[in-house]
Amino acid sequence: NAGVTQTPKFRVLKTGQSMTLLCAQDMNHEYMYWYRQDPGMGLRLIHYSVGEGTTAKGEVPDGYNVSRLKKQNFLLGLESAAPSQTSVYFCASSYRLAGGSLNEQYFGPGTRLTVT
Amino acid sequence: QKEVEQDPGPLSVPEGAIVSLNCTYSNSAFQYFMWYRQYSRKGPELLMYTYSSGNKEDGRFTAQVDKSSKYISLFIRDSQPSDSATYLCAMKVGGGSYIPTFGRGTSLIVHP
Repeated sequence: NAGVTQTPKFRVLKTGQSMTLLCAQDMNHEYMYWYRQDPGMGLRLIHYSVGEGTTAKGEVPDGYNVSRLKKQNFLLGLESAAPSQTSVYFCASSYRLAGGSLNEQYFGPGTRLTVT
Repeated sequence: QKEVEQDPGPLSVPEGAIVSLNCTYSNSAFQYFMWYRQYSRKGPELLMYTYSSGNKEDGRFTAQVDKSSKYISLFIRDSQPSDSATYLCAMKVGGGSYIPTFGRGTSLIVHP
């Protein structure tokens, strides 16, 4: 049971380049999230998904797109990278308990992205 | 003003000290409160999860919620160098809500 994995671990992009970050979870969780973490800013939600085929915007969605074609995968895309997108990106997943409440989020190890 | 306020620190203490980490919040609808621990260059991991007011203890860790003051705390007894990490508080309105609100995290350093 690998939990939440993220690919790649590190990446350097030039301004204007595009890339896709992959998040995979093997826990059969319904809910998945993409956050960015910057010094002094804490975790900020970019996009999230409440199930396969559905996505929604979070606090800072501009410049990013996401897709959830399979339940276990959540992709984060940068169409035209900007230096302001230099950050550490974390994926997380969670599931609904039998009583209806959501359990805590399980986080991946992060992707460190630098845009020059 | 952010919904959840947390002093970023760093907080530096000697080994064996009792550590108190705190968050204040403005949304009185928050009911579920969490503490995550994040080691350097790792993802956050859940440490404590509490509902409503009161205390919850787990080994050397105690989570305390005071809803009347909109204040939550995490106490670490007999702190160890391995406790050095960033501690993030998080809270949710209801058990079924998808999105927790995170504090910015407090960096803790426990020196031998």
